[in-house]
Amino acid sequence: QQQVKQSPQSLIVQKGGIPIINCAYENTAFDYFPWYQQFPGKGPALLIAIRPDVSEKKEGRFTISFNKSAKQFSLHIMDSQPGDSATYFCAASLFRGGYKLSFGAGTTVTVRA
Amino acid sequence: NAGVTQTPKFRVLKTGQSMTLLCAQDMNHEYMYWYRQDPGMGLRLIHYSVGEGTTAKGEVPDGYNVSRLKKQNFLLGLESAAPSQTSVYFCASSVARGGRGEQFFGPGTRLTVL
Repeated sequence: QQQVKQSPQSLIVQKGGIPIINCAYENTAFDYFPWYQQFPGKGPALLIAIRPDVSEKKEGRFTISFNKSAKQFSLHIMDSQPGDSATYFCAASLFRGGYKLSFGAGTTVTVRA
Repeated sequence: NAGVTQTPKFRVLKTGQSMTLLCAQDMNHEYMYWYRQDPGMGLRLIHYSVGEGTTAKGEVPDGYNVSRLKKQNFLLGLESAAPSQTSVYFCASSVARGGRGEQFFGPGTRLTVL
């Protein structure tokens, strides 16, 4: 049973659009929520991360919104580009035991030129 | 720095055969992990290690064994491969504390069990 639920499974947007990926979790002990980006044939790489005491974090065109009371968080990709086409995974971990990550199922984002 | 490397990149096994996947990292990281990635399932933690000589079970450990005899290496073994172990396997490493809590992933090993 996945501890982090992610949706949608896939989405397609036009260049300049704002794909939004949503994640939900149950374990209130989680206190670290990263997003990983994976290109075909490559391993995942950390994109951006947030702690639950912050409601929003921006790094470049990527923004995480975090709703602690709802136990939900989402990734927005502003002004999306074809180079953003990849699979995105949300994750959650306990801040102990070596950052053991529980991953969502992944969302494949396609940005059309 | 090579980062995290995995050997081999591809492998085809017959049911019942055994094999070992090798992961190496040159970042002097204390923690290392093995994940499997399956369509629609994300990445699931198989085993992990918090230091040389120590290992622990993750979310899906059955059918796998691991060893960490050297800090830079983490081996994943399949004693008797089954078709259900067909997957892409990723190794990752991280520091024990501090930084961004980032796990650095290798390029993966695609394993097919016939």
